[in-house]
Amino acid sequence: QSALTQPRSVSGSPGQSVTISCTGTRSDVGAYNFVSWYQQHPGKAPKLMIFDVNRRPTGVPDRFSGSKSGNTASLIISGLQADDEADYYCCSYADRYTWVFGGGTKVSVL
Amino acid sequence: EVQLVESGGGVVRPGGSLRLSCVASGFTFGDYGLTWVRQAPGKGLEWVSAINWNANSQGYADSVRGRFTISRDNIRNTLYLQMNSLRAEDTAFYYCARVFHELFNYWGQGMLVTVSS
Repeated sequence: QSALTQPRSVSGSPGQSVTISCTGTRSDVGAYNFVSWYQQHPGKAPKLMIFDVNRRPTGVPDRFSGSKSGNTASLIISGLQADDEADYYCCSYADRYTWVFGGGTKVSVL
Repeated sequence: EVQLVESGGGVVRPGGSLRLSCVASGFTFGDYGLTWVRQAPGKGLEWVSAINWNANSQGYADSVRGRFTISRDNIRNTLYLQMNSLRAEDTAFYYCARVFHELFNYWGQGMLVTVSS
């Protein structure tokens, strides 16, 4: 149960796109299409942004998208906005009713 | 409106025990799995434990297996986490969340557990 690997931080100017990678193993990210992404603003509970690799819950803007290749998943935020500045965590199902999170990525809007 | 409200947090000495509760409302409690996720102050999210709708499936992180026990009461719409042999590294905000198809779509606001002498 090792944490998934994410970059500590990414940044971009308003309107630009940023990509956050999330690398796991053949036992978690590579084994299941059950990767989800969560946004967390300071002092707030996490919010689901992407599930099942690339599906968006109702209400999440289509500026947020997801993908996966092998053991690495990615979250893409296009048309970056000030309110997108937050911490983002990937999460993967890992068999026998267990999950694993990534270490988190701080997105800064310059 | 789905609501999850945690309680039972506080300060406990190393080696001590604490039981967290999470009362749910706004949905049919017995239809969903539930999970606990924690976050040490200033750190990232860590998945802790999960239980399916009828308690037949339970999972634990390696860091808590053998010390923590998850359970649920589908009559009282309440999720529990019994935490024993607590360590300083268990200090964190603890969130409960609803599980739906391998994702966590509703979260409580979290509560702080501090393990300190």
